[in-house]
Amino acid sequence: DIQMTQSPSSVTASVGDRVTITCRASQGLSGWLGWYQQKPGKAPKLLIYVTSSLQRGVPSRFSGSGSGTDFTLTISSLQPEDVATYYCQQAKSFPLTFGGGTKVEIK
Amino acid sequence: QVQLVESGGGVVQPGRSLRLSCAASGFIFRSYGMHWVRQAPGKGLEWVAVISYDGSNTYYGDSVKGRFTISRDNSRNTLFLQMNSLRAEDTAVYYCAKDHSSGPEVLDNWFDPWGQGTLVTVSS
Repeated sequence: DIQMTQSPSSVTASVGDRVTITCRASQGLSGWLGWYQQKPGKAPKLLIYVTSSLQRGVPSRFSGSGSGTDFTLTISSLQPEDVATYYCQQAKSFPLTFGGGTKVEIK
Repeated sequence: QVQLVESGGGVVQPGRSLRLSCAASGFIFRSYGMHWVRQAPGKGLEWVAVISYDGSNTYYGDSVKGRFTISRDNSRNTLFLQMNSLRAEDTAVYYCAKDHSSGPEVLDNWFDPWGQGTLVTVSS
């Protein structure tokens, strides 16, 4: 199974700050990495797939990058509505696996 | 718009069975793979199972393999999860999700959108 490790587990930043979340896979993913946002009490929402493809309707302040085993989600200018937990997920092979999550809060 | 509505959750004793349903609308259900993903209270996400558009292929997470069965009825636009031999560690909100694929009959293994979830509690 492919293990996914996210860091940090939580981050507190000010409105307008740049926030970066990293995700490391236990083996190469050939770009098959996605990111989800889960707001409190809600179902997760797909933000980015295949490393850097922005899902329709997702604000352009969200971006993804990376290759091999190391990937990054960046929020270029943190907004109050971005308070949520973010998860990475590999789609390279079964079983599909998620990272442990990163909780983003506003300072 | 795409809508997924789960049902069938509840409280069940360890060792018993439960069947979840997910009613789909707003898209051509028979053309897309479907997933179940769960989330234990206060914990992260865990993928449970996937079924291809026509039901011919299924895959499972390690923790549910041999106990859970995913199926679908394309005539009723409905996805199912049969859960047998339930354990306390199966307690979670169970979400169904449509495969966000590059085209009909293609399985890309991204989840979009998700239903609102149904809570399963395994307790004596």
